Order: sequence, then structure tokens, then C-alpha cells
Amino acid sequence: DADVTQTPRNRITKTGKRIMLECSQTKGHDRMYWYRQDPGLGLRLIYYSFDVKDINKGEISDGYSVSRQAQAKFSLSLESAIPNQTALYFCATSDPRQFTDTQYFGPGTRLTVL
Amino acid sequence: GQNIDQPTEMTATEGAIVQINCTYQTSGFNGLFWYQQHAGEAPTFLSYNVLDGLEEKGRFSSFLSRSKGYSYLLLKELQMKDSASYLCAVRDWPYTGGFKTIFGAGTRLFVKA
Repeated sequence: DADVTQTPRNRITKTGKRIMLECSQTKGHDRMYWYRQDPGLGLRLIYYSFDVKDINKGEISDGYSVSRQAQAKFSLSLESAIPNQTALYFCATSDPRQFTDTQYFGPGTRLTVL
Repeated sequence: GQNIDQPTEMTATEGAIVQINCTYQTSGFNGLFWYQQHAGEAPTFLSYNVLDGLEEKGRFSSFLSRSKGYSYLLLKELQMKDSASYLCAVRDWPYTGGFKTIFGAGTRLFVKA
């Protein structure tokens, strides 16, 4: 069973539509992250949350919002999707009690905005 | 600025050894990670270095030199399933305020028979 799950796995939508990507984890980690990956670029951080009451912007948060509904759930919303938000989106979790605080990634959501 | 450089693509032969280099320039340093990512899949953790030297884990080894801003990932006894992208990432938090792990664009490794 996957420790970090993302829904949907694939989504095609139109410009201007509101989209929500969901992430759930059973790892018991406090820290959760949303990244996007574009061809030829490294993963870029959109938002991160160190616990349920903590939300922080990453390097590319414009056009996105998030909600941390519980320790296990972290959702990413695109209020009005635009074509340059077409990308592969990954959720990740980490546990600061581990020495390395390694990030563990979900399977990804491939989003296409037409 | 903050930057991570790694080769875009490499090709190697099954059974051989390959070294994937990574150089970085960051505001601070709090650990370097290597991830493996098969096409269309999630990155999976391979190794972590925070002190200079070599960390060995089975067929995979990772080396770090903080003074040179340099790391490499060494893959031995290459197998076809090692064909994937390898991502180098540096965590520079908490030295620069907000949390940040900077990812390189990845090195796509092709293993041929």
C-alpha cells in the first residue's frame, strides 16, 4: 500500500477552471509539501506545511492556494487554471524527528490546462 | 544565486560503473540528497550526505565535498532497471529563512545492453 497517495493521477481541464489536487499520507509525518516538475527544470516548491496550523509559501506560490485539513491531508488548489500551470505535481512528506528529514514523494498528478 | 548543475544525459553499459556529478552553489548547506526517478513516477530517496566523504549503500555510493560544492553518485554493476533520472538536491534551510530544498534538473541515465 502506498504511503503517500495523490488524487487525481491525471487531469485535463480548461483555462479558468478551479482545480483541487489532493494528497493523503499514512506515514504519520507532520511535514507536507507541494512541488511542481517541468521538463528540464528541477522540482520547485509551491507550498509547505510543518504542522496542521502552519502554512508557508514556497518559491512559486502565485496562482496556487493550499489547505491542511488534518495531519494526513494537504490539498493544493488552482483557483483559475492557466496553461502555464500544466505540469507534473508532487506531494511529499517528511519527519523532522528523523536525522535526515528526508522527503518522500507521492506518485504525482499530471495536470494539463488547455 | 543558488544553483545546482548536473549533466543532462549519460549513457552506460550494463554491468559497468557510472559516476553522476553534481555541483552546487547555495546560500547555506544542510545536507545533499540523491533521488532516483523513473519516467512519470515519483522521485525515490537514494542517499543523504551532510559530512564530507563517501557513503556506501549496496551498489550505490554518494560522495560529498562541501568545500568544493561537489557531489557524485556512483552506480556499480549497472542493471537495465537503473535507467532513470537521478536528481541531486541541496537543503539550505534554515540558514536562509524559509524552508528550501533546491533540486537539480536531473541526469537521465540510459543503460544499454
